[in-house]
Amino acid sequence: SAVISQKPSRDICQRGTSLTIQCQVDSQVTMMFWYRQQPGQSLTLIATANQGSEATYESGFVIDKFPISRPNLTFSTLTVSNMSPEDSSIYLCSVGQITDTQYFGPGTRLTVL
Amino acid sequence: AQRVTQPEKLLSVFKGAPVELKCNYSYSGSPELFWYVQYSRQRLQLLLRHISRESIKGFTADLNKGETSFHLKKPFAQEEDSAMYYCALRYGNKLVFGAGTILRVKS
Repeated sequence: SAVISQKPSRDICQRGTSLTIQCQVDSQVTMMFWYRQQPGQSLTLIATANQGSEATYESGFVIDKFPISRPNLTFSTLTVSNMSPEDSSIYLCSVGQITDTQYFGPGTRLTVL
Repeated sequence: AQRVTQPEKLLSVFKGAPVELKCNYSYSGSPELFWYVQYSRQRLQLLLRHISRESIKGFTADLNKGETSFHLKKPFAQEEDSAMYYCALRYGNKLVFGAGTILRVKS
């Protein structure tokens, strides 16, 4: 199994600022994903973080708002840019093959004032 | 479009009672379905997947293509089953999650 850590675990940010969330895995993985879970809602895939190339974004999510880095096979970052209160969510990273077990990080709880 | 529906936000049962968490899906291809669980203060984790046909912690789920359902069942609920349960559908290289159902098992 993969052990995933995320930093920060939570943050409270001001409108208009940006926050970078880190995801660290204890082993090399091919697939890394970023999800958003808005209050009272389900998980929504933001993007797939690809090592050595640009992330693949889902409909409704754009690189300017959620830039992603994947410098190696154990690490990725997601930045939430120019934040507004609507960005208040839990952000989760996950790793693994979709056809097999996916392992999730503990999440980053973001509140934007 | 791919969609997963969990009609109940909250299911409350007594300990020892049977449990059925409903999940319906919409997908034109061959579906691959999963149940994920999140216990209090723990991270989301895989409970079971339909291709494994296994029973985990007494839970089973059968894929019914005719009814496009993948309901999660357990004959006798236990208090430690209280958690948030998500049904998920794989399409391509991605997962689509349902809204989740909170299961509360009362003593």
